[in-house]
Amino acid sequence: QVQLQQSGPGLVKPSQTLSLTCAISGDSVSSNTAAWNWIRQSPSRGLEWLARTYYRSNWQNNYAPSVKSRMTISVDTSKNQFSLQLNSVIPEDTAVYYCARSGDGRYDYWGQGTLVTVSS
Amino acid sequence: DIQMTQSPSSLSASVGDRVTITCRASQNIDTYLNWYHQKPGKAPKVLIYAASNLQNGVPSRFSGSGSGTDFTLTISSLQPGDFAIYYCQQSYDAPYTFGQGTKLEIK
Repeated sequence: QVQLQQSGPGLVKPSQTLSLTCAISGDSVSSNTAAWNWIRQSPSRGLEWLARTYYRSNWQNNYAPSVKSRMTISVDTSKNQFSLQLNSVIPEDTAVYYCARSGDGRYDYWGQGTLVTVSS
Repeated sequence: DIQMTQSPSSLSASVGDRVTITCRASQNIDTYLNWYHQKPGKAPKVLIYAASNLQNGVPSRFSGSGSGTDFTLTISSLQPGDFAIYYCQQSYDAPYTFGQGTKLEIK
């Protein structure tokens, strides 16, 4: 059974960096069939895919245009986890952030969600 | 980006009712369409993938149909646990986008 466990702070000050980590059990971050995603949800933007990373003989990262200049997704294979960094956060980045696995385009396993509030 | 539009935005129904939710894509997405529901405080859960395939463990009262730009999710006989928000999501072209949601409430 695949499980995704998120960790990271729930409060970030404006202009600072939001950092979240998703620890994977029951699958490998280096899987050749899965992709590992970050998705956020807010009342104003709904469900919004942010980024993904996957391994297909080498590592590939993709980002949503809306956050591409501020976001980095990274992998720690030794800990079987992946992470998100979002720089220069603004109040509009306040949302519930989810990590999720996808294989053929469907998000079949999700983390528990982390409410991140951007506020001073 | 491909825009996904759901209708209705909200729906009131009773246990035992048959309900249908519609999702329209802004361009042809073949059958690259997935359906989820989400309960308060929980992550979305996939119900249907590739337009009409039932995800493992999902009850058979859920069904999906459609191709191209128009899709439907049908719940044949509503159960108490089905009252939730329903989302469609296209996986035809990145960035994969979601509909705005349909809130299914108890009448």
